[in-house]
Amino acid sequence: GAGVSQSPSNKVTEKGKDVELRCDPISGHTALYWYRQSLGQGLEFLIYFQGNSAPDKSGLPSDRFSAERTGGSVSTLTIQRTQQEDSAVYLCASSRREGSNSPLHFGNGTRLTVT
Amino acid sequence: KQEVTQIPAALSVPEGENLVLNCSFTDSAIYNLQWFRQDPGKGLTSLLLIQSSQREQTSGRLNASLDKSSGRSTLYIAASQPGDSATYLCAVTTGANSKLTFGKGITLSVRP
Repeated sequence: GAGVSQSPSNKVTEKGKDVELRCDPISGHTALYWYRQSLGQGLEFLIYFQGNSAPDKSGLPSDRFSAERTGGSVSTLTIQRTQQEDSAVYLCASSRREGSNSPLHFGNGTRLTVT
Repeated sequence: KQEVTQIPAALSVPEGENLVLNCSFTDSAIYNLQWFRQDPGKGLTSLLLIQSSQREQTSGRLNASLDKSSGRSTLYIAASQPGDSATYLCAVTTGANSKLTFGKGITLSVRP
């Protein structure tokens, strides 16, 4: 079946512009995560959606970052007024249900370059 | 705050060798631990998931063990192959509805 789909795969933007990154999780997966991976760094947690509960936004680095998950499916991560330090690979993952021992399934990520 | 460490950062071995990748974590109160593989330019693929009540999991040539009390996990790869070359990451979650905390990974190169 289809895996986690992220778009675009690559995005180059000018400093100060807003960007939107999209994630389509696996159908039926109720848990959805966004992570950021910078060169030489580990995966940095950004936000976690779990079913109908309030999302865990504790990893968002600044108020320029926001995310939504509409209808419990597709999620959009928005970065406003992008800065060069926002350049990274943004990874989305989903799992079957919250509170389970189901493995995470990752998309291939969106590589964001801010010039 | 949970911290996950993977040492060394890189490893190069000849084909056929059995090898062990190490992972340590600071808070032993974990819910589960997962090992992932990441190929260049790709996302992560889940290899093995060990629940907190389990000691090990096996899949093919891979075996992962968990020692919660000492805050350690190992990923054993038997008879390594060039196709095993990738970055291997471990991650833990400390609650049923918690995020995963990742190590920085070990980049493995298996020489033909």
